[in-house]
Amino acid sequence: AAGVIQSPRHLIKEKRETATLKCYPIPRHDTVYWYQQGPGQDPQFLISFYEKMQSDKGSIPDRFSAQQFSDYHSELNMSSLELGDSALYFCASSHMDGGNIQYFGAGTRLSVL
Amino acid sequence: QQPVQSPQAVILREGEDAVINCSSSKALYSVHWYRQKHGEAPVFLMILLKGGEQKGHDKISASFNEKKQQSSLYLTASQLSYSGTYFCGADRGSTLGRLYFGRGTQLTVWP
Repeated sequence: AAGVIQSPRHLIKEKRETATLKCYPIPRHDTVYWYQQGPGQDPQFLISFYEKMQSDKGSIPDRFSAQQFSDYHSELNMSSLELGDSALYFCASSHMDGGNIQYFGAGTRLSVL
Repeated sequence: QQPVQSPQAVILREGEDAVINCSSSKALYSVHWYRQKHGEAPVFLMILLKGGEQKGHDKISASFNEKKQQSSLYLTASQLSYSGTYFCGADRGSTLGRLYFGRGTQLTVWP
């Protein structure tokens, strides 16, 4: 079965650079979530989209923005990167009729040097 | 805001049982359990909805006590493959709900 696909898997950036993370949800899933997981931490909710509209916003810095496109893929844009942004970034998708069961992608490991 | 998980870590021998608890100070609509191996994606195990039902998945089952806002994950006759970090995710019932994750329970199963 198709899963959530994230790219790239690994990303190395310098401070103050920008990064774009991509997420392709499971086909026919209408909701995408972004989570950030620091080393040894639990996943922290950043933002979600339902049917291409932002549906909820968590502890996402103003330097970050995200959107969901017409083909339902989503991109997380991160600017003015800081050392503290180094983390695993997960995308998850669900279907409205699926009881909010969220299926996670393999994640993008971002390292800011 | 996030649920509280206990214990923080468990070490088992193959074939032993374990219980992981998750409690919330806020009302829950549902509880989601995930297992994550190091550097990998959290893998969905099961969802418990309001109503106190108990669900099972092979030798892993869970319960949800709505009155106490608590959920427990039961792992019986543990296998080496059960090793990983277990997270409970709390859904408070907001529209298209974000999950609030507990800090995780690290489970290690030794042969």
